[in-house]
Amino acid sequence: DIQMTQSPPSLSASVGDRVTITCRASQSISRYLNWYQQKPGKAPKLLVYAASSLQSGVPSRFSGSGSGTDFTLTINSLQPEDFATYYCQQSSSANTFGQGTRLEIK
Amino acid sequence: EVQLLESGGGLVQPGGSLRLSCAASGFTFSRFAMSWVRQAPGKGLEWVSAIGDTGDATYYADSVKGRFTVSRDNSDSTLWLQMNSLRADDTAVYYCAKEGLTVGPSHFDYWGRGILVTVSS
Repeated sequence: DIQMTQSPPSLSASVGDRVTITCRASQSISRYLNWYQQKPGKAPKLLVYAASSLQSGVPSRFSGSGSGTDFTLTINSLQPEDFATYYCQQSSSANTFGQGTRLEIK
Repeated sequence: EVQLLESGGGLVQPGGSLRLSCAASGFTFSRFAMSWVRQAPGKGLEWVSAIGDTGDATYYADSVKGRFTVSRDNSDSTLWLQMNSLRADDTAVYYCAKEGLTVGPSHFDYWGRGILVTVSS
């Protein structure tokens, strides 16, 4: 099974900051990597698919990159509504989620 | 508008059974694979099961293999998850999720609101 490791587990930042979340796969997954945002009590929301494709309606301050085993989600100019938990997910072989990164207000 | 509405959750005793349903609308249900994803209280997301567009192919996480069965009715745009031999660690919010692509490795572009399953005596 493919394991996904996200870092950091939690992150404190301020409005206007630029943050990066990393996801590492235990083996190559090409570009089959997706990112989701989840707010408390809500279903996850797709942000980025296929490593770098922005889902329709998602603000352009979100971006994804990477291939193989190493991937990043970058959020430029953090907005108040961006404070949430972020998950990566691989779909190369079955499906596996990372353990999540909680983004908190500093 | 795509809508996914789960039902059938609730409290069940260890060893018991429960059947979740997901009513889909707003898209051609028969063209897309579907999945169930769960989230234990205060924990992360865990993929549980998937089913291909025709229902011929099914996939399960090791944690539920042999106990859960996924199925679908394309004529009724409904997805099910039959859960047997339930354990306390199956307690979670269960989400129904739609695949974003009709072929190949994909992503979950739409999710239901989720339904809570509690396994406790």
